[in-house]
Amino acid sequence: AQKVTQAQTEISVVEKEDVTLDCVYETRDTTYYLFWYKQPPSGELVFLIRRNSFDEQNEISGRYSWNFQKSTSSFNFTITASQVVDSAVYFCALSGWDDKIIFGKGTRLHILP
Amino acid sequence: DAGVIQSPRHEVTEMGQEVTLRCKPISGHNSLFWYRQTMMRGLELLIYFNNNVPIDDSGMPEDRFSAKMPNASFSTLKIQPSEPRDSAVYFCASTDRVWGYEQYFGPGTRLTVT
Repeated sequence: AQKVTQAQTEISVVEKEDVTLDCVYETRDTTYYLFWYKQPPSGELVFLIRRNSFDEQNEISGRYSWNFQKSTSSFNFTITASQVVDSAVYFCALSGWDDKIIFGKGTRLHILP
Repeated sequence: DAGVIQSPRHEVTEMGQEVTLRCKPISGHNSLFWYRQTMMRGLELLIYFNNNVPIDDSGMPEDRFSAKMPNASFSTLKIQPSEPRDSAVYFCASTDRVWGYEQYFGPGTRLTVT
């Protein structure tokens, strides 16, 4: 069975601090995709990144970076120099051989001014 | 390009009434998904379609829920009769399997059943 665990339910940091959101996944598929989505207070779900299981290269996009490690089944997300606008719920998700995406429970991130 | 469109954005109805939620996926996308989000249960996949055909409806909570996709540009999720525990935000999402599986979500419909 596929599973995504986001152990951090809620995190608060002061603006400009770096913060890492943890994601651990379980799957028996050899080919799979990992995702991060952002849900700001307005409620929409915004796609941030997709990673396939054959690409373990870390990725950086501005202040966002993602660390994918198959050895530990983790796909962690770091925000550098956090800003108040980063306050949101962040979901890690996993998709296997079919189209279904399994979402974690989410981490609520508060960036304090 | 327009994103996924959902209507209505908000729906308030009384218990026992029929509710119909609508979704227009992104043009060219061939898979469509319906999700429900609540505080208690998080994001739950209800049903998904591929090329207008229902593939997996195992997440549909009970027979009161039904979904259709009569063509590639329109889908409905119907609840009949509605109950207070159906109150949630319902999201529709679509994807193009060819390009990588990420799903693009609509703005959601906030349903309140009193």
